[in-house]
Amino acid sequence: AQTVTQSQPEMSVQEAETVTLSCTYDTSESDYYLFWYKQPPSRQMILVIRQEAYKQQNATENRFSVNFQKAAKSFSLKISDSQLGDAAMYFCAYRSGASGTYKYIFGTGTRLKVLA
Amino acid sequence: ETGVTQSPTHLIKTRGQQVTLRCSSQSGHNTVSWYQQALGQGPQFIFQYYREEENGRGNFPPRFSGLQFPNYSSELNVNALELDDSALYLCASSDGLAGSLYEQYFGPGTRLTVT
Repeated sequence: AQTVTQSQPEMSVQEAETVTLSCTYDTSESDYYLFWYKQPPSRQMILVIRQEAYKQQNATENRFSVNFQKAAKSFSLKISDSQLGDAAMYFCAYRSGASGTYKYIFGTGTRLKVLA
Repeated sequence: ETGVTQSPTHLIKTRGQQVTLRCSSQSGHNTVSWYQQALGQGPQFIFQYYREEENGRGNFPPRFSGLQFPNYSSELNVNALELDDSALYLCASSDGLAGSLYEQYFGPGTRLTVT
C-alpha cells in the first residue's frame, strides 16, 4: 500500500523569505502523480502544484516549485518570496496512475506560519 | 463555472443518529470522491462515485454509504453515528477517471460533530 509522510508538523518563515516543506512517499508503482494542496483556515483545499512521475523536470508554478527525487521517493515544496497569504496547512498527496480508483492518499500536513 | 459546493456547513448530531451530507460537483465533472478529515490529520478516502456507480472504497465500515445522482451530485450517509465520526467531510469532484491528470477539486467541507 502507498503511504505519504510529512515529517514537519509545523514550519515558520519570515515574509519574503524562502521555505521548503518536505514530503516522502512509498510506492511500488512506476506511474503516479504527486500533488501539493493548500488548506487555508477557510478549509477549502486548493491545488498548489502537481508533478507527473514520468516527468524528470520539476514542476514550477510562479513562486512555488518542487524538488522531485523519484529514486529517493521525495517530493518537497519550495515557496519563494513567502507572503502572509501563504499561511495555511499544506498537504502532500499521491495518486496512482493505474486504472481503477483514483483516490488521493494524503500526508498528515504541515502548518506553515508566515511571520511579518 | 461553478465550483464544488457542500451542505450543510456545520452539523451537530447525537451518537446513534443518522446523517446525510450533500455535494454538488463542479460543472462538467462526473466523478465525486468523499474524504474524512479528522482534526489535525490529512483527509482519508471514504469512497468514489463515477457516473452513479461506486468506484472504489477506502477502509470505512458499511455504515458509511453513498449515492450519486444523474446530475452527478452526491450524498454521503452515515448511520449509527459514533463519537469518532466527528470530522470535516470533504467532497471532491473531477472529470473522468482515466489516465492523466484528472485532478480533484475540493469543496469547503461539512464539519460534523457527534456528541
